[in-house]
Amino acid sequence: EPEVTQTPSHQVTQMGQEVILRCVPISNHLYFYWYRQILGQKVEFLVSFYNNEISEKSEIFDDQFSVERPDGSNFTLKIRSTKLEDSAMYFCASSEALRLAGYTFGSGTRLTVV
Amino acid sequence: DQQVKQNSPSLSVQEGRISILNCDYTNSMFDYFLWYKKYPAEGPTFLISISSIKDKNEDGRFTVFLNKSAKHLSLHIVPSQPGDSAVYFCAANVNSGNTPLVFGKGTRLSVIA
Repeated sequence: EPEVTQTPSHQVTQMGQEVILRCVPISNHLYFYWYRQILGQKVEFLVSFYNNEISEKSEIFDDQFSVERPDGSNFTLKIRSTKLEDSAMYFCASSEALRLAGYTFGSGTRLTVV
Repeated sequence: DQQVKQNSPSLSVQEGRISILNCDYTNSMFDYFLWYKKYPAEGPTFLISISSIKDKNEDGRFTVFLNKSAKHLSLHIVPSQPGDSAVYFCAANVNSGNTPLVFGKGTRLSVIA
């Protein structure tokens, strides 16, 4: 069964450093998403991406965050200057169409900012 | 602003019995609802969905009920199995476009053998 692959599974970084979280969506999917879950909290939407541009973003997704699809297969989330409160599980998801049952999530990257 | 609320953080059920997970929402624009299951160290996995034009959708042991007037939905699992032990997330959105899913905080279900 096709999977969404995320690397690394765990990233530890110092406050103020830049991190790049990587995702390989399912190959025929057109819509891409980043969500995050702070420990014990709900899964929160960050950004959606379609046709090589951001289609929607949340208030969390400020100027410190950016997304890219650099080579047609990878989908990356960059945090320019990490803060302690960025520590969370970051989930990438993709879907074939606008119908939401097609969301497939990756296993997540646990980001720890120290 | 919690648009999707799962007020029970945890639930324990005996194997073979029914598990009922509840979810409330506040946004009357929501018209598509989903349940996701999440095991530790894995991403959420889609379980079952329901459109607002229906009040029930069944898939094997899983049934989702929607009460639009009460803005409430529930997931019934019967019979519950130990492998059902996971965190269950309720999610909703407006299905008219590429709008993001809004998730609840999740309910941890433990099915005891």
